[in-house]
Amino acid sequence: DQQVKQNSPSLSVQEGRISILNCDYTNSMFDYFLWYKKYPAEGPTFLISISSIKDKNEDGRFTVFLNKSAKHLSLHIVPSQPGDSAVYFCAASARQGGSEKLVFGKGMKLTVNP
Amino acid sequence: GAVVSQHPSWVICKSGTSVKIECRSLDFQATTMFWYRQFPKQSLMLMATSNEGSKATYEQGVEKDKFLINHASLTLSTLTVTSAHPEDSSFYICSARGPPFSSYNSPLHFGNGTRLTVT
Repeated sequence: DQQVKQNSPSLSVQEGRISILNCDYTNSMFDYFLWYKKYPAEGPTFLISISSIKDKNEDGRFTVFLNKSAKHLSLHIVPSQPGDSAVYFCAASARQGGSEKLVFGKGMKLTVNP
Repeated sequence: GAVVSQHPSWVICKSGTSVKIECRSLDFQATTMFWYRQFPKQSLMLMATSNEGSKATYEQGVEKDKFLINHASLTLSTLTVTSAHPEDSSFYICSARGPPFSSYNSPLHFGNGTRLTVT
């Protein structure tokens, strides 16, 4: 059962335009959400996060929106740059019995064309 | 920033042999490290949580006797794939939680991963 879903495997946008990456989750116990970015042959790097008590978090060109009622979050990148081309993973976290569970989506490949 | 180093970056081994993968936190101490596995076009799947000085906690479906984890120091965790078979071929990646350590929401810092190919 895929608890974190990134239904679109890829997205291609033009440089300067907005990139919108979507993520859906099924477990209502998730209370923290993160986006990681991964270049080929490298490990994922943390990009931005949001707590379930918020509906928006912004960091420079990156903004994450959370809609708890819809169990949906999205990452907006504006303006998009060619260097943003990478695989983006959505992740959700929940505490379970004193430990945590961090579940990743399958990732989405973003290509920003010059 | 917090750096996690993983070695080797790739390894090819013959079926039946064992392979050890190292994960080091270079500029911070990590009492807990996480080992993930990723198949092509799939998500990162948590295999086990490595705890310094104690036994690792394995996720359901992960064979603890096949994937041996040792976390002997605050900066080093190792994953040994024993008696490897072609179906163990995958991308293995470790991570550790960066500061502030008291927060379970502190982002994970990942190593660059190890591509294992078993022939």
